[in-house]
Amino acid sequence: ETGVTQTPRHLVMGMTNKKSLKCEQHLGHNAMYWYKQSAKKPLELMFVYNFKEQTENNSVPSRFSPECPNSSHLFLHLHTLQPEDSALYLCASSQGYDDVISYEQYFGPGTRLTVT
Amino acid sequence: DQQVKQNSPSLSVQEGRISILNCDYTNSMFDYFLWYKKYPAEGPTFLISISSIKDKNEDGRFTVFLNKSAKHLSLHIVPSQPGDSAVYFCAASVRSGGGADGLTFGKGTHLIIQP
Repeated sequence: ETGVTQTPRHLVMGMTNKKSLKCEQHLGHNAMYWYKQSAKKPLELMFVYNFKEQTENNSVPSRFSPECPNSSHLFLHLHTLQPEDSALYLCASSQGYDDVISYEQYFGPGTRLTVT
Repeated sequence: DQQVKQNSPSLSVQEGRISILNCDYTNSMFDYFLWYKKYPAEGPTFLISISSIKDKNEDGRFTVFLNKSAKHLSLHIVPSQPGDSAVYFCAASVRSGGGADGLTFGKGTHLIIQP
C-alpha cells in the first residue's frame, strides 16, 4: 500500500449505529487530519493531530470522536449520527512544517457515508 | 462566511489554450496557499503551492500567482491538456508555528478541456 488509504470506501448506517472510519498513511508523516465534504459545500476541517496529539477540534459535535493511536493511523468513531452528517469524509497527512520547509497535505480517497 | 471563494463553478477551455482559475480570500492572516486537483472517486491531489512572501511560483505547465493586496490568487495551466479536466480547489492556511495546520478550502472549479 502506498500513500493514504481509507476504509471503508462506502458506509451506510442507521442513526442508532456505532461505526468507525479508518485511515492509514504510508508516507512517514507526523500530522493527520479529518475533513468533511458535504454536498455543495467546501471541504471543512474537523480535526488535526500532530505527533499523535490532537491540536485542533474545529467545533465538531461529540457524536464524532477521533482517535490517533500512532502517527500512521487515524480513526473517526461515529455514534448516533444524524442524516445531515451524510457526506464524504476525507483523511489527509502531512510532514508538518518548520520555518524553512513548506508542506502539503496528501489525501486519501475518502469514505462516502450515508446516514439513514 | 466563506474565507476562500472560487466564484466560477465551472470553466471550459479548448485543448492547447491557457486555463486560468481564480480564487479570492478574505482572511488577511492566510500566509500559505495551495491548489489541489480532484478526479471523481479520488481524494484531492496536491498541485502547487505558494508562500505569502512570493508572488509567483512555477512548476512545469502550472503557475500560481498571488496578489496579496487584492487578496487574490490564480492558477494558470498552459498548454491545457484533456487530462487536466477535473475539479480544482484553492486552499489557504494560517501557519501558527505548531507544525501542522488545517486548510480552508474553496468550493472548487470544474475545469473542462474541450478537444
